[in-house]
Amino acid sequence: SQTIHQWPATLVQPVGSPLSLECTVEGTSNPNLYWYRQAAGRGLQLLFYSVGIGQISSEVPQNLSASRPQDRQFILSSKKLLLSDSGFYLCALGLAGTGANVLTFGAGSRLTVL
Amino acid sequence: AQSVAQPEDQVNVAEGNPLTVKCTYSVSGNPYLFWYVQYPNRGLQFLLKYITGDNLVKGSYGFEAEFNKSQTSFHLKKPSALVSDSALYFCAVLSGGSYIPTFGRGTSLIVHP
Repeated sequence: SQTIHQWPATLVQPVGSPLSLECTVEGTSNPNLYWYRQAAGRGLQLLFYSVGIGQISSEVPQNLSASRPQDRQFILSSKKLLLSDSGFYLCALGLAGTGANVLTFGAGSRLTVL
Repeated sequence: AQSVAQPEDQVNVAEGNPLTVKCTYSVSGNPYLFWYVQYPNRGLQFLLKYITGDNLVKGSYGFEAEFNKSQTSFHLKKPSALVSDSALYFCAVLSGGSYIPTFGRGTSLIVHP
């Protein structure tokens, strides 16, 4: 079965500092990978998704970026954090080629920007 | 285009009573429908899904959901609520050919002892 790891679990960063959140998956190859942000413990906002190495699609314009340097690695980055970047960041994977795939989520990374 | 609505921000129910968390959807073509649960400070966990076939879908932890095509609904139900069911519940929809589900805003379920 697929597993997904996210780190760090918790992060406190000052405004203007850089960010790197990492997500790695096991138990599958060529997955679809997703970064979501959850603000105030409610709805999910899709930030980025990837269908393969180096292939990133952005859903919303912002100061965040994503990269997929390896098949099972998905990284969320920022050069300069804003207060509004605070939130709970969730990485998810879906099985490529299956039309009704269930997403498997990581445990999340909670970012507080001060 | 696809969309999903969870009309209730919060549902309160007494332990032992039946619970319903509502979800309606809009999609072109046949929908794939999902329910996920999120406990505090954790990722989402899959509960159940409807793809095709029987309109009543059974899932984890005693939950079930009924697909109603005429009402475009997929309400989550459980015959007898537990305090441990208290969590945030998300409905999601996926249209055929898409791999990006649309999630609802979530409904907070609170089960009182």
